[in-house]
Amino acid sequence: NAGVTQTPKFQVLKTGQSMTLQCAQDMNHEYMSWYRQDPGMGLRLIHYSVGAGITDQGEVPNGYNVSRSTTEDFPLRLLSAAPSQTSVYFCASRVGEKLFFGSGTQLSVL
Amino acid sequence: AQTVTQSQPEMSVQEAETVTLSCTYDTSESDYYLFWYKQPPSRQMILVIRQEAYKQQNATENRFSVNFQKAAKSFSLKISDSQLGDAAMYFCAYRKGGATNKLIFGTGTLLAVQP
Repeated sequence: NAGVTQTPKFQVLKTGQSMTLQCAQDMNHEYMSWYRQDPGMGLRLIHYSVGAGITDQGEVPNGYNVSRSTTEDFPLRLLSAAPSQTSVYFCASRVGEKLFFGSGTQLSVL
Repeated sequence: AQTVTQSQPEMSVQEAETVTLSCTYDTSESDYYLFWYKQPPSRQMILVIRQEAYKQQNATENRFSVNFQKAAKSFSLKISDSQLGDAAMYFCAYRKGGATNKLIFGTGTLLAVQP
């Protein structure tokens, strides 16, 4: 039982490049979400999903796309990376009141 | 809009002593949940303790306990018998009750434990 797995752990992009942050969970959780963590701002919700085929926006969705074709996977796409997207990204799944976090992806956009 | 405020960016405690981390929140909801998460240098987010708003009894988990003051909208975390492994960033978080996935975090308190 791996829990929530995020890849990659580190990534450097140039402005304008695109990439996908992967997130997979093997706990059959319906709820999944993406957060970004910036210094002095805590974690902020980007997008979330309440089940396969259903996604919705969080607090800071601009510049990011998500899809949920299966219960297990919830990838986060940056279509055209900007320096403002330099951050640590966390994927999480939830069952009841318990949130399970991945180990994070540190992204730098130059 | 709901907000979570942690007014102590950094705290320090001696090993074996007790420390209290502060958190206040603002909401007009009556059904909600409050959480404390620990983030050590490994970056992993670890749930420390949670409190249901409808419960008057303060939650406890071993050396961790909360002081939940619903009228004052205060939710402080007390760590007793502090250990070196308690050194981490601590985040207070709020979630409205019902079918919502949105967790609102405070800005965190960095706790140092001195040997």
